[in-house]
Order: sequence, then structure tokens, then C-alpha cells
Amino acid sequence: TQLLEQSPQFLSIQEGENLTVYCNSSSVFSSLQWYRQEPGEGPVLLVTVVTGGEVKKLKRLTFQFGDARKDSSLHITAAQPGDTGLYLCAAKNTGTASKLTFGTGTRLQVTL
Amino acid sequence: DAGVIQSPRHEVTEMGQEVTLRCKPISGHDYLFWYRQTMMRGLELLIYFNNNVPIDDSGMPEDRFSAKMPNASFSTLKIQPSEPRDSAVYFCASSLARPLAGELFFGEGSRLTVL
Repeated sequence: TQLLEQSPQFLSIQEGENLTVYCNSSSVFSSLQWYRQEPGEGPVLLVTVVTGGEVKKLKRLTFQFGDARKDSSLHITAAQPGDTGLYLCAAKNTGTASKLTFGTGTRLQVTL
Repeated sequence: DAGVIQSPRHEVTEMGQEVTLRCKPISGHDYLFWYRQTMMRGLELLIYFNNNVPIDDSGMPEDRFSAKMPNASFSTLKIQPSEPRDSAVYFCASSLARPLAGELFFGEGSRLTVL
């Protein structure tokens, strides 16, 4: 079973700061997704990356897929309180049907 | 468009009782997933279905857990008998295509507390 480790586990920052969250594994992924989950709700997809080295931007969020497709990062510029939530990476490695495994999660709190 | 609908949203029961969680996936989606989320273990895949057929149930913790999908618009996850360690939030999710590049749509979850 692939293990997706995210770091840091918890992050508390002030509005306006920048931050980076990491998702790492020893396995090679065919694709990787990032989700955000708010309290009392299910995770919601933010982005999917497929190609090694791929960079995608979603407003103030920048997602990068590692060249070897074993890791990914999420960078948030000028964090806002609305960014608060649990960030989860999820991946499927090659040849395992449709099974999507989620990472351990990074809980982000952005305060005023 | 309605999203994934789960019921009940909250369930409190006593150890030994049977618990049934229900899920209605998004119409037209052909994959359905049951996940369990706890602080200690995060989000774990329990079982998933493709076109109503169970494909992988290797995440089901033990025989006390069972899941069915009698038709394309309904699935149940049953725990019998329930134990305190089953306390968690159970999520149902559906997908239109294999989630290689597709999106999982999650319900709001069913929070189960077993006393």
C-alpha cells in the first residue's frame, strides 16, 4: 500500500503570509490530486496534475508535480482566512485500477 | 444539480447495535466509494464499486462491515455489531470516470459515534 506523507501536519499563520505544503511518497504516481476540506464537509477537488514537472496555478495557489512523479507541493501566496482548512493530496499509482489513496493531511489555519 | 447525498448526517448508537449508512451518488456516475475519516488514520478507502459491482473491498476493516449497491442510485454501508472504535466520519463519494484524472465528489459525511 502506498503511503502519502504530508508535511507539515499543522500550520498556523497570519493573513498575508506565504506557505508551502508537501506531499511525498516512495511510489511513482500516474496522477495526483489536491483537495481541500472544510469542517463538516467532504473534501473538494482543487487540482489534478498528471505530467512530471507540471505546474498549475489556481489564483493564489500554485501546485507542482515532481519530475519523478513521486512528490508534489502546494504553495499559497498571501494566505487569507478563507484558505483555512484541511489540505489533502491523493494519488493513484500505475496499475492499481481506480483506487485513490489520500495523504495524511495538512491542517491550515489562517488568522487575521 | 444535487451532489452526493448521505444519511444520516449524525448517528449516535450504543455498542452492539447495527448501523446502516446510506448514500445516493450523483446521477450518471459509475464509480462509488466509501471512505472513513478519523484524526488518527486520516481518510481511508473502505470499498469501491464500479457499475454497482464491488471492485475492491480490501479496506473493509473486518467482517462486521458490509456494503451493498443494489442499483446505480443507492448504496449502503452496514456495521453489525458496532464497536466504539468504529466512531468516525464516513464519506461516500462518486466519480464519472476512473479517478486517474477524474474528480471525486464527496457527500457531507455521516458522523458516527458508538458509545
